[in-house]
Amino acid sequence: KAGVTQTPRYLIKTRGQQVTLSCSPISGHRSVSWYQQTPGQGLQFLFEYFSETQRNKGNFPGRFSGRQFSNSRSEMNVSTLELGDSALYLCASSWLFGYEQYFGPGTRLTVT
Amino acid sequence: KQEVTQIPAALSVPEGENLVLNCSFTDSAIYNLQWFRQDPGKGLTSLLLIQSSQREQTSGRLNASLDKSSGRSTLYIAASQPGDSATYLCAVSANAGGTSYGKLTFGQGTILTVHP
Repeated sequence: KAGVTQTPRYLIKTRGQQVTLSCSPISGHRSVSWYQQTPGQGLQFLFEYFSETQRNKGNFPGRFSGRQFSNSRSEMNVSTLELGDSALYLCASSWLFGYEQYFGPGTRLTVT
Repeated sequence: KQEVTQIPAALSVPEGENLVLNCSFTDSAIYNLQWFRQDPGKGLTSLLLIQSSQREQTSGRLNASLDKSSGRSTLYIAASQPGDSATYLCAVSANAGGTSYGKLTFGQGTILTVHP
C-alpha cells in the first residue's frame, strides 16, 4: 500500500507570494492533518480534516488555510508569505481521528 | 494547554546498549500516545501507538510504556544499533469526551546517536 505522498517536495518562494501544498493520504484513510516543523518551535499542529470538514485548527494566522476533497486528498495554502513561514510542512493521514497517524515526507518551503 | 517534554534532549551511546527515552505530559486526559522517529530532513515514521487504556506496547526491539496518571511514557530500545540513530519524538492526542481530536502535541524530541 502506498504511503502518504506530498507535492512538491521543495519550494522556494519570495515574501508576499502565496503557495499551495498538496497531500495524498494512504488509500482508505479519511483523516488528514497538517503540521509545521521549524528548528525553533518544533512540530506544531496546523489543522485537521475529516470527510471534507475541518475538525480542528491550530494557533496560526488566517493566512494559513486548507481544504479536503471528496477523495480525501488535501491541500493547504499560505498567502502573503513571510520569512518566518520557512519550514518543513508535514501531512499525516489516519483511517479515523484517534487512530495511528502516518506521515508523508514533507514539503520543504523556503521563503526569501 | 497540553505540554510535552522529552528527556534527555540528546543521547550518545555505544552500539549494543539498552537505553530509555523519557516523555512526560502535563494533561493526563489523553486519548493515545504515539512514538515516532525522524531521520534528518525526512518525515516521521510511526514506531508505536499506545491507547490511553493500555500500559505498554512492543514492536521488535522497542517497548513503550504508558503511565497516564503520572503523565509519563518511556521508550525502551534494546541492543541499540547504529541504524537506530535518529530523533525520537513522542506525541499525545487529547481525549475529547471519549473520542479524539486528531491533533497531536509533540515533544521537542531526543536526538539519539549510536556509535559503532
